[in-house]
Amino acid sequence: GAGVSQSPSNKVTEKGKDVELRCDPISGHTALYWYRQSLGQGLEFLIYFQGNSAPDKSGLPSDRFSAERTGGSVSTLTIQRTQQEDSAVYLCASSFQGYEQYFGPGTRLTVT
Amino acid sequence: AQKVTQAQTEISVVEKEDVTLDCVYETRDTTYYLFWYKQPPSGELVFLIRRNSFDEQNEISGRYSWNFQKSTSSFNFTITASQVVDSAVYFCASYSSASKIIFGSGTRLSIRP
Repeated sequence: GAGVSQSPSNKVTEKGKDVELRCDPISGHTALYWYRQSLGQGLEFLIYFQGNSAPDKSGLPSDRFSAERTGGSVSTLTIQRTQQEDSAVYLCASSFQGYEQYFGPGTRLTVT
Repeated sequence: AQKVTQAQTEISVVEKEDVTLDCVYETRDTTYYLFWYKQPPSGELVFLIRRNSFDEQNEISGRYSWNFQKSTSSFNFTITASQVVDSAVYFCASYSSASKIIFGSGTRLSIRP
């Protein structure tokens, strides 16, 4: 069966440009998370969607970051006016309610 | 508030040694879940185990074992006869319905040949 997929796998962008990162969760999973991981660091929580509830945006580092989850499935993380400090691997994970998360392979974002 | 602490930032052992990764959690909820994940050098996080708060039985899977003790709020992970392929970053996490999944900061395990 299909796991969590993310696209693109790599993204190089110039400082100041906007980027969109996509996550396709496992079908039927009600929860979707976005994380950021800098080289050699832990998981930094960004945003959490659970069913039809309002998303938990408490981890978004600035108003340049936003995310949507359409139809309870696909999610898009948008970073506006990218900065060099936004360079990291962005990970998406999905789960069925509170059960274990399954992670995608990540999108490596490099801002030049 | 929920919290997960992995006090060991890095551990390095020689192959075939046993190694234990510590995980201490904090929660006010009576129903919660605990998890361990592995992140090998390739980068993709892999789910290893889930435990619910009502099941304190220890779990063994091959060379891996997990010790859940509610009395000390710990969910430790032991690798027996470690191998080089066990080298990875290991994350402990907890979840309750009143919160979201919370991860510890991870323990980087290096197994030297």
